[in-house]
Amino acid sequence: QKEVEQDPGPLSVPEGAIVSLNCTYSNSAFQYFMWYRQYSRKGPELLMYTYSSGNKEDGRFTAQVDKSSKYISLFIRDSQPSDSATYLCATPGNTPLVFGKGTRLSVIA
Amino acid sequence: DAGVTQSPTHLIKTRGQQVTLRCSPKSGHDTVSWYQQALGQGPQFIFQYYEEEERQRGNFPDRFSGHQFPNYSSELNVNALLLGDSALYLCASSLAGVISTEAFFGQGTRLTVV
Repeated sequence: QKEVEQDPGPLSVPEGAIVSLNCTYSNSAFQYFMWYRQYSRKGPELLMYTYSSGNKEDGRFTAQVDKSSKYISLFIRDSQPSDSATYLCATPGNTPLVFGKGTRLSVIA
Repeated sequence: DAGVTQSPTHLIKTRGQQVTLRCSPKSGHDTVSWYQQALGQGPQFIFQYYEEEERQRGNFPDRFSGHQFPNYSSELNVNALLLGDSALYLCASSLAGVISTEAFFGQGTRLTVV
């Protein structure tokens, strides 16, 4: 079983929609969970991270961790065309960072 | 602060050749990690360097080697290139002992093997 699994999409939504991106992880010992955004031909940039369970909000973005089901989510409210990118979940696992495959998101104006 | 810089941006190599990629970490960072990102995949950890030594290695063959210099910059070398080595190679810098939430990535080097 992979340490982190993520549906690669692609996902296409109209501008203003609420977007939900999800990952599952295998090891209940994982404590930190990150979301990276990667624009085409660029390196990943950290959007936000959470520690253990619960929610964390930053502007239009909310990260959520459910440790009981080993499920992590990123919600984007009022999505904008500039949000079009690949979103990667990651956690410090057996290596410095273990990434999901990434979900490619397109927000259509 | 220039952040993490990688060079070159793109390069094309032939099967069997050797390639060297370079990374300068963010100012103040002493640890460099390298990742390989194949098309449509998430980054895969290759290895990490700290104090000029390889500290941890992912599941990559010995054809992948690296080096860290006293100024903390790093090189990734790949020998006997295969078509499957075509990918975006990412460098991430961080401070030793700090959780990976503080890692910063460069723009990457896109390697195409033909």
